[in-house]
Amino acid sequence: DGGITQSPKYLFRKEGQNVTLSCEQNLNHDAMYWYRQDPGQGLRLIYYSQIVNDFQKGDIAEGYSVSREKKESFPLTVTSAQKNPTAFYLCASSIRQGNSPLHFGNGTRLTVT
Amino acid sequence: DAKTTQPPSMDCAEGRAANLPCNHSTISGNEYVYWYRQIHSQGPQYIIHGLKNNETNEMASLIITEDRKSSTLILPHATLRDTAVYYCIVKRTGNNNDMRFGAGTRLTVKP
Repeated sequence: DGGITQSPKYLFRKEGQNVTLSCEQNLNHDAMYWYRQDPGQGLRLIYYSQIVNDFQKGDIAEGYSVSREKKESFPLTVTSAQKNPTAFYLCASSIRQGNSPLHFGNGTRLTVT
Repeated sequence: DAKTTQPPSMDCAEGRAANLPCNHSTISGNEYVYWYRQIHSQGPQYIIHGLKNNETNEMASLIITEDRKSSTLILPHATLRDTAVYYCIVKRTGNNNDMRFGAGTRLTVKP
């Protein structure tokens, strides 16, 4: 079945460590996205990529970095510069045409202590 | 992209229709209305989208007013599994699909 895989489901890290969240899709979508969700709130856009080797900052990119070396993969690194990294992280993908819906993975819950 | 306003929460009886409203009074002509839902601790699921005509699929119907300033998502026969947060998003067509999600409406379907 085609879809988006985020792993792991739960991730625990100590403060001051960088951590990389995985996102893989086999939908042959050009565009991929990272969102952050805090309890009781909507989703906020961190980074997005419309094509391999290109990406743009979203609304809350500070403290995060991404790469897009392959069409299928869009890993997100939460760096030690991110002041409040504990959150639920969601990856999505879509085809590039402007009114195409987003397809989401089931998220990674990151806890930093 | 236009801003949307949704009620924070709604209840619906199981088996009845759930009608979820969304106001988007500043919508412009090339902006679509999208609906997603998110069941607890899962990723959002796309439901439906439309420009100005009413739309229906196997999950729901989308009714957009003639002036396009508001819309209603209709789940015709709500089940307990429809309990979720429902997001209404307005997005203009273009090369980017970087959608912005607000707080949505928390729908609780009760037995």
